[in-house]
Amino acid sequence: EIVLTQSPGTLSLSPGERATLSCRASQSISSSSLAWYQQKPGQAPRLLIYDTSNRAAGIPDRFSGGGSGTDFTLTISRLESDDFAVYYCQQRGDSPGTFGQGTKVEIK
Amino acid sequence: EVQLVESGGDLVQPGGSLRLSCTASGFFFSSYAMTWVRQPTGKGPEWVSVISGSGASTYYADSVKGRFTISRDNSKSKVYLEMNSLRAEDTAVYYCARGGLWFGINDQWGQGTLVTVSS
Repeated sequence: EIVLTQSPGTLSLSPGERATLSCRASQSISSSSLAWYQQKPGQAPRLLIYDTSNRAAGIPDRFSGGGSGTDFTLTISRLESDDFAVYYCQQRGDSPGTFGQGTKVEIK
Repeated sequence: EVQLVESGGDLVQPGGSLRLSCTASGFFFSSYAMTWVRQPTGKGPEWVSVISGSGASTYYADSVKGRFTISRDNSKSKVYLEMNSLRAEDTAVYYCARGGLWFGINDQWGQGTLVTVSS
């Protein structure tokens, strides 16, 4: 099973600041297998980024993804109030599919 | 508009059984794999199972293998999760999502249904 480790666990930032979230895989994965989701309380996860760097429909361009091999990053260039949430990475290249444990982006 | 609606969640005793359903609309159902993902309260999502568009291929997390069965009825645009020998640790919100594994991205999700396993 591919284990995804996200860091940091919590990110305390102010609106307008840049957020950088990390996702490290226990073994190399294809760049077409890595996605990022945003989740707010009481809601289902929402797809943000797929195939490492492609924004899903309707996702603003302040969200960007990158990386390769075992190290992947989600960047939010300028945080807006709506962006404070929990973010999960997911790999779908191998069964079982796995999620990271999440990074909470909270208002400082 | 793509819609996924889960149902069937309930309170069940340990060792009991439950069947979850997910009804899809707004897309050509048989062209897509479907995934079940669960999330215990306050924890991250856990991938549970996926079924290919035709239903010919299925995959399971080790934690549910041998106890849960995923199936689908393309004529009704439904996917099911039959859950047997339920344990307290199966307590979670269960989501269905379109796509899964190498079959495709989990791009659309339902609102979830709550399964509680407790005596």
